[in-house]
This record gives sequence, C-alpha cells and structure tokens, in this order.
Amino acid sequence: QVQLQESGPGLVKPSETLSLTCAVSDYSISSGYYWGWIRQPPGKGLEWVGSIYHTGSTFYNPSLKSRVTISVDTSKNQFSLKLTSVTAADTAVYYCARRVVTAIRYFDYWGQGTLVTVSS
Amino acid sequence: DIQMTQSPSSLSASVGDRVTITCRISQNIDRHLNWYQQKPGKAPKLLIYAASSLQSGVPSRFSGSGSGTDFTLTISNLQPEDFATYYCQQGYSTPLTFGGGTKVEIK
Repeated sequence: QVQLQESGPGLVKPSETLSLTCAVSDYSISSGYYWGWIRQPPGKGLEWVGSIYHTGSTFYNPSLKSRVTISVDTSKNQFSLKLTSVTAADTAVYYCARRVVTAIRYFDYWGQGTLVTVSS
Repeated sequence: DIQMTQSPSSLSASVGDRVTITCRISQNIDRHLNWYQQKPGKAPKLLIYAASSLQSGVPSRFSGSGSGTDFTLTISNLQPEDFATYYCQQGYSTPLTFGGGTKVEIK
C-alpha cells in the first residue's frame, strides 16, 4: 500500500514562498508514475497544481505556472512543491498524490493533506 | 481549459436510495473521466476511472457511465458511509480539472 505524507510550514506570510514536501513510502518513486500536487481552499473544490515524473519532467497548471516549481529527490524518495509570492488566495489544504502513467490521467493514492494558511 | 459542470451541487437522499450525479464536459473527452469521494477532513478517494472502471476495493454499488461530454455516477442502495462530496475529474488534457462537487446529504 503506497503511502504519501505531506510536511511543511502551516503558516506563510504574504509575498513569501510556500514550501512543502511529500514523502513516499512502500513504493520507489524511481519505479515510475507521476507525482502531483492538488489543493483545496477551505470549503471549496479541488485544483490541480502540477505533476512531475521521476525523471524530472514537469507539468504545471498555467494559472500558477509562473510561481510554481515541483522537484523530485529520488534518493530520499520524496518530491516537493514551491509556490512563490503567495497571497491569501493560496490558503488551502495541499494534497500530494500519485498519478497513473496511462493516457487516462487519475490519482490513485493521496496523502492526508496539510493546511497552509497565508497570513501576516 | 476543459470546463466541468457537475449537477446537482447538493442532494438529500435516504439510506437505500439510488442516487445519480451528472458531470458535463465542455468538449469531447472520450472516456477520460474519473470520480472521487471526499469525506470531511479527508483526502479524496478514487472510486471510478476511465468513466466506468471500478477502482479496486470500491463497493459494486458504485458505477459510472458515459462518454464524450456527458457522464454519470450512480450509487445504488445508498449506505450511511456514502454520505460525502463527490467530484468528477477529466484526465484528457492538462490542466487537469475537477468538477465543482456534489454533496450527498442525509434526508
């Protein structure tokens, strides 16, 4: 059973950078699959942030592309999210998830999520 | 971006009811449509992928149908643990997008 666990600061100041890490266990990131981030503002729906392949190829939501960087560290079996110049609109629960490699893209394993609040 | 319209946004139903949720897509996505269940404070859980394929471990009372632009999630014989919010998600092209959600509440 693949397990994912998000970690990082729960409070970030406006204009600063949000940084989160997703540790993967019981599966080697190097073995394949895409690894992604999805966020959910309080009381609202889901928004795909971006995904990364184990080789480092990345795909970002154009609405966030100028501010997002996703990276992978296969030696630590984890991947990370950086979102720059945050505002209150970036306050959300951030989930990491595994995305299948098939043409029909879906997320089969998810982390429990971590709430990040943007506030001074 | 591909737009997703889920309906209804909420519904009330009783245990044992048959519930149908619809997801309408702004363009033809063949069968690249997935469904998730989310309970309060929890991560979404994959129920159906590729429009009608049941994810391993998901009860058979959940079923999906449709292709092109119109898709349906059906829950037959609604159980107490099924009261949750359901989201559709298109996997046809990036950016991957989700429907607005349908909250299934107890009548």
